[in-house]
Amino acid sequence: AQTVTQSQPEMSVQEAETVTLSCTYDTSESDYYLFWYKQPPSRQMILVIRQEAYKQQNATENRFSVNFQKAAKSFSLKISDSQLGDAAMYFCAYSGVRETSGSRLTFGEGTQLTVNP
Amino acid sequence: SAVISQKPSRDICQRGTSLTIQCQVDSQVTMMFWYRQQPGQSLTLIATANQGSEATYESGFVIDKFPISRPNLTFSTLTVSNMSPEDSSIYLCSVEDLTISSYTFGSGTRLTVV
Repeated sequence: AQTVTQSQPEMSVQEAETVTLSCTYDTSESDYYLFWYKQPPSRQMILVIRQEAYKQQNATENRFSVNFQKAAKSFSLKISDSQLGDAAMYFCAYSGVRETSGSRLTFGEGTQLTVNP
Repeated sequence: SAVISQKPSRDICQRGTSLTIQCQVDSQVTMMFWYRQQPGQSLTLIATANQGSEATYESGFVIDKFPISRPNLTFSTLTVSNMSPEDSSIYLCSVEDLTISSYTFGSGTRLTVV
């Protein structure tokens, strides 16, 4: 079974600074998808960024980028120029390819990010 | 991307009663997922609901406690039965959104059992 581990229960960053959230996973599959979701106090799950395992290029979405290390099974999220609105719980998640292990998402434990003004 | 309407957004229920949570999607989807998020914790998959077949439950979750209906490709319900305070959680539905190659979530139902 796949597992996702986030070893940082809490992180804090100064506004306008950069912060990196860590995520590692375990899988025997060669093709899969990785995601970062953000959950503010409203509890809405918001997709931040996704990465396809077969793509070597790291995904980027504006101020958000990932460092995907497939061999190390590591998938960290970098937030640049942090803003107050980035404060939230961040979840790393894994999904296998539907044809093999199905489409279910497996989540890490989450990292609570605080942004200080 | 798909838009999911989830109702109710919150409820306070007496122990021993049942609550049905509804999710309506604005497009047809094959699979819908139901998650539980206990206070301060991550999301745990309860079951996967396919239209026209029985839901597939994860280890630790049973149909008698969490019956699911999936009458068509845009709608599903999750019932939390015979509730106890341990059922107090956020419940979220989700769909695989092929238009964005990701997963979209409902806004969640915050359930408190007293």
